[in-house]
Amino acid sequence: GDSVTQMEGPVTLSEEAFLTINCTYTATGYPSLFWYVQYPGEGLQLLLKATKADDKGSNKGFEATYRKETTSFHLEKGSVQVSDSAVYFCALSDQLWAGGTSYGKLTFGQGTILTVHP
Amino acid sequence: DAGVTQSPTHLIKTRGQQVTLRCSPISGHKSVSWYQQVLGQGPQFIFQYYEKEERGRGNFPDRFSARQFPNYSSELNVNALLLGDSALYLCASSFEGHQPQHFGDGTRLSIL
Repeated sequence: GDSVTQMEGPVTLSEEAFLTINCTYTATGYPSLFWYVQYPGEGLQLLLKATKADDKGSNKGFEATYRKETTSFHLEKGSVQVSDSAVYFCALSDQLWAGGTSYGKLTFGQGTILTVHP
Repeated sequence: DAGVTQSPTHLIKTRGQQVTLRCSPISGHKSVSWYQQVLGQGPQFIFQYYEKEERGRGNFPDRFSARQFPNYSSELNVNALLLGDSALYLCASSFEGHQPQHFGDGTRLSIL
Protein backbone atom coordinates (compact mmCIF):
# COMPACT_ATOMS: atom_id res chain seq x y z
CA GLY A 1 0.00 0.00 0.00
CA ASP A 2 0.88 3.66 -0.11
CA SER A 3 3.22 5.04 2.54
CA VAL A 4 5.05 8.25 3.42
CA THR A 5 8.25 8.52 5.44
CA GLN A 6 9.46 11.78 6.96
CA MET A 7 12.78 12.57 8.55
CA GLU A 8 13.00 12.00 12.27
CA GLY A 9 12.37 15.05 14.39
CA PRO A 10 12.19 17.26 16.23
CA VAL A 11 14.07 19.92 14.29
CA THR A 12 15.36 22.95 16.19
CA LEU A 13 16.69 25.97 14.31
CA SER A 14 17.64 29.57 14.93
CA GLU A 15 15.71 32.30 13.16
CA GLU A 16 16.88 32.90 9.57
CA ALA A 17 18.40 29.42 9.29
CA PHE A 18 17.84 27.20 6.25
CA LEU A 19 15.23 24.46 6.64
CA THR A 20 15.02 21.06 4.98
CA ILE A 21 12.54 18.37 5.99
CA ASN A 22 12.97 15.17 4.02
CA CYS A 23 10.01 13.18 2.71
CA THR A 24 9.96 10.02 0.62
CA TYR A 25 6.96 8.04 -0.53
CA THR A 26 5.84 4.69 -1.88
CA ALA A 27 2.80 4.54 -4.13
CA THR A 28 1.44 2.20 -6.76
CA GLY A 29 -0.10 4.91 -8.95
CA TYR A 30 0.70 8.51 -9.79
CA PRO A 31 -0.05 10.37 -6.58
CA SER A 32 -0.38 14.03 -5.85
CA LEU A 33 1.94 15.21 -3.07
CA PHE A 34 1.26 17.70 -0.30
CA TRP A 35 2.77 19.41 2.68
CA TYR A 36 0.39 20.29 5.51
CA VAL A 37 1.20 22.35 8.62
CA GLN A 38 -0.43 22.00 12.03
CA TYR A 39 -0.15 24.73 14.64
CA PRO A 40 -0.81 23.87 18.31
CA GLY A 41 -4.46 23.19 19.00
CA GLU A 42 -5.47 23.51 15.37
CA GLY A 43 -6.28 21.32 12.41
CA LEU A 44 -4.21 20.88 9.29
CA GLN A 45 -3.57 23.68 6.82
CA LEU A 46 -2.50 22.96 3.27
CA LEU A 47 0.93 24.54 2.79
CA LEU A 48 1.73 23.51 -0.78
CA LYS A 49 1.08 20.81 -3.34
CA ALA A 50 2.40 19.25 -6.54
CA THR A 51 0.35 17.05 -8.82
CA LYS A 52 2.89 15.60 -11.24
CA ALA A 53 6.57 14.83 -11.60
CA ASP A 54 8.93 17.84 -11.65
CA ASP A 55 6.19 20.19 -10.41
CA LYS A 56 7.36 22.64 -7.76
CA GLY A 57 4.89 23.69 -5.09
CA SER A 58 5.55 26.93 -3.23
CA ASN A 59 3.85 29.08 -0.61
CA LYS A 60 4.95 31.56 2.09
CA GLY A 61 8.63 31.01 1.23
CA PHE A 62 8.37 27.22 1.44
CA GLU A 63 9.13 25.06 -1.61
CA ALA A 64 9.05 21.38 -2.52
CA THR A 65 9.71 19.63 -5.84
CA TYR A 66 8.03 16.37 -6.90
CA ARG A 67 10.92 14.02 -7.75
CA LYS A 68 9.57 10.83 -9.27
CA GLU A 69 13.01 9.30 -9.85
CA THR A 70 13.86 9.49 -6.15
CA THR A 71 10.23 9.29 -4.92
CA SER A 72 10.83 12.37 -2.79
CA PHE A 73 9.14 15.66 -1.94
CA HIS A 74 11.51 17.48 0.42
CA LEU A 75 10.32 20.71 2.05
CA GLU A 76 12.72 23.69 2.06
CA LYS A 77 12.72 27.28 3.25
CA GLY A 78 15.62 29.65 2.92
CA SER A 79 15.09 31.64 6.12
CA VAL A 80 12.78 30.40 8.86
CA GLN A 81 10.92 32.60 11.34
CA VAL A 82 9.74 31.94 14.88
CA SER A 83 6.20 31.90 13.52
CA ASP A 84 7.08 28.84 11.39
CA SER A 85 7.24 26.70 14.55
CA ALA A 86 4.68 23.95 14.00
CA VAL A 87 4.31 20.30 13.00
CA TYR A 88 4.79 19.61 9.30
CA PHE A 89 3.19 16.62 7.56
CA CYS A 90 4.06 15.24 4.16
CA ALA A 91 1.16 13.46 2.46
CA LEU A 92 0.18 11.80 -0.77
CA SER A 93 -3.16 11.29 -2.42
CA ASP A 94 -3.77 8.48 -4.82
CA GLN A 95 -6.95 7.81 -6.73
CA LEU A 96 -8.58 4.70 -5.31
CA TRP A 97 -11.51 2.72 -6.65
CA ALA A 98 -14.31 1.05 -4.72
CA GLY A 99 -17.64 -0.11 -6.03
CA GLY A 100 -17.11 1.54 -9.39
CA THR A 101 -16.40 5.00 -8.01
CA SER A 102 -13.14 6.72 -7.23
CA TYR A 103 -12.06 8.71 -4.23
CA GLY A 104 -8.95 10.42 -3.02
CA LYS A 105 -7.49 9.30 0.30
CA LEU A 106 -4.67 11.17 1.99
CA THR A 107 -1.81 9.09 3.41
CA PHE A 108 0.33 11.04 5.87
CA GLY A 109 3.83 10.76 7.23
CA GLN A 110 4.35 10.79 10.98
CA GLY A 111 5.01 14.52 11.14
CA THR A 112 8.11 16.59 11.95
CA ILE A 113 8.09 19.04 14.83
CA LEU A 114 9.87 22.29 13.95
CA THR A 115 10.92 24.74 16.66
CA VAL A 116 12.51 28.04 15.65
CA HIS A 117 14.28 30.10 18.32
CA PRO A 118 14.84 33.89 18.10
CA ASP B 1 -16.78 32.06 3.74
CA ALA B 2 -16.71 29.75 6.74
CA GLY B 3 -14.25 26.90 6.72
CA VAL B 4 -14.88 23.35 7.87
CA THR B 5 -16.51 23.44 11.29
CA GLN B 6 -16.49 20.60 13.80
CA SER B 7 -18.29 20.11 17.09
CA PRO B 8 -17.74 19.66 19.89
CA THR B 9 -14.18 20.92 20.34
CA HIS B 10 -13.42 18.61 23.23
CA LEU B 11 -15.16 15.56 24.61
CA ILE B 12 -14.48 13.26 27.54
CA LYS B 13 -16.04 9.81 27.63
CA THR B 14 -15.52 6.57 29.52
CA ARG B 15 -14.81 3.14 28.14
CA GLY B 16 -17.82 1.39 26.63
CA GLN B 17 -19.73 4.59 25.90
CA GLN B 18 -20.79 5.82 22.48
CA VAL B 19 -19.91 9.18 20.90
CA THR B 20 -21.12 11.26 17.96
CA LEU B 21 -18.94 13.89 16.32
CA ARG B 22 -20.25 16.44 13.84
CA CYS B 23 -18.83 18.20 10.81
CA SER B 24 -20.08 20.92 8.47
CA PRO B 25 -18.16 21.21 5.19
CA ILE B 26 -17.21 24.33 3.32
CA SER B 27 -20.17 25.70 1.40
CA GLY B 28 -20.35 24.03 -2.00
CA HIS B 29 -18.28 21.03 -1.00
CA LYS B 30 -20.12 17.73 -1.43
CA SER B 31 -17.57 15.34 0.06
CA VAL B 32 -16.54 14.82 3.66
CA SER B 33 -13.67 12.67 4.91
CA TRP B 34 -12.87 11.67 8.48
CA TYR B 35 -9.38 11.09 9.89
CA GLN B 36 -8.09 9.94 13.28
CA GLN B 37 -4.89 11.52 14.60
CA VAL B 38 -3.36 9.80 17.60
CA LEU B 39 -0.95 11.95 19.59
CA GLY B 40 2.45 12.10 17.94
CA GLN B 41 1.33 10.48 14.68
CA GLY B 42 -0.01 11.54 11.32
CA PRO B 43 -3.75 11.38 10.60
CA GLN B 44 -5.20 8.03 9.51
CA PHE B 45 -8.07 7.82 7.01
CA ILE B 46 -11.37 6.51 8.40
CA PHE B 47 -14.12 7.28 5.85
CA GLN B 48 -15.02 9.34 2.85
CA TYR B 49 -18.59 10.26 1.95
CA TYR B 50 -19.82 11.87 -1.25
CA GLU B 51 -23.44 12.72 -2.01
CA LYS B 52 -24.53 10.78 1.09
CA GLU B 53 -22.83 7.57 -0.04
CA GLU B 54 -19.76 5.96 1.51
CA ARG B 55 -16.99 5.99 -1.08
CA GLY B 56 -14.04 4.70 0.86
CA ARG B 57 -13.21 3.19 4.21
CA GLY B 58 -9.91 2.83 6.03
CA ASN B 59 -8.73 0.02 8.25
CA PHE B 60 -10.99 0.71 11.22
CA PRO B 61 -13.35 -1.69 13.05
CA ASP B 62 -17.10 -1.74 12.59
CA ARG B 63 -17.45 0.23 15.82
CA PHE B 64 -16.77 3.25 13.63
CA SER B 65 -19.61 4.41 11.41
CA ALA B 66 -20.60 7.61 9.68
CA ARG B 67 -23.29 9.18 7.60
CA GLN B 68 -23.78 12.26 5.46
CA PHE B 69 -26.92 14.35 5.35
CA PRO B 70 -28.65 16.08 2.42
CA ASN B 71 -26.99 19.38 3.37
CA TYR B 72 -23.61 17.51 3.10
CA SER B 73 -22.86 17.75 6.83
CA SER B 74 -21.66 14.54 8.43
CA GLU B 75 -21.58 12.64 11.69
CA LEU B 76 -18.99 10.15 12.87
CA ASN B 77 -20.17 7.60 15.43
CA VAL B 78 -17.97 5.41 17.55
CA ASN B 79 -19.49 2.68 19.72
CA ALA B 80 -18.04 0.72 22.64
CA LEU B 81 -15.25 3.22 23.16
CA LEU B 82 -11.79 1.93 24.02
CA LEU B 83 -8.88 3.77 25.61
CA GLY B 84 -7.11 3.57 22.24
CA ASP B 85 -9.83 5.67 20.62
CA SER B 86 -8.44 8.73 22.40
CA ALA B 87 -7.35 10.99 19.56
CA LEU B 88 -7.99 14.13 17.58
CA TYR B 89 -10.72 13.44 15.01
CA LEU B 90 -10.39 15.57 11.92
CA CYS B 91 -12.98 16.26 9.27
CA ALA B 92 -11.99 17.40 5.79
CA SER B 93 -14.16 18.57 2.92
CA SER B 94 -13.61 18.79 -0.80
CA PHE B 95 -15.72 19.43 -3.85
CA GLU B 96 -15.86 15.89 -5.24
CA GLY B 97 -13.77 13.78 -2.90
CA HIS B 98 -10.45 14.41 -4.51
CA GLN B 99 -7.89 17.07 -3.72
CA PRO B 100 -7.35 19.47 -2.18
CA GLN B 101 -9.03 18.59 1.09
CA HIS B 102 -9.65 21.35 3.62
CA PHE B 103 -9.50 20.42 7.29
CA GLY B 104 -11.40 21.59 10.34
CA ASP B 105 -9.75 22.13 13.73
CA GLY B 106 -10.87 18.73 14.96
CA THR B 107 -12.59 17.23 17.98
CA ARG B 108 -10.31 16.13 20.79
CA LEU B 109 -11.77 12.91 22.26
CA SER B 110 -10.42 11.64 25.56
CA ILE B 111 -11.42 8.23 26.92
CA LEU B 112 -11.08 7.63 30.65
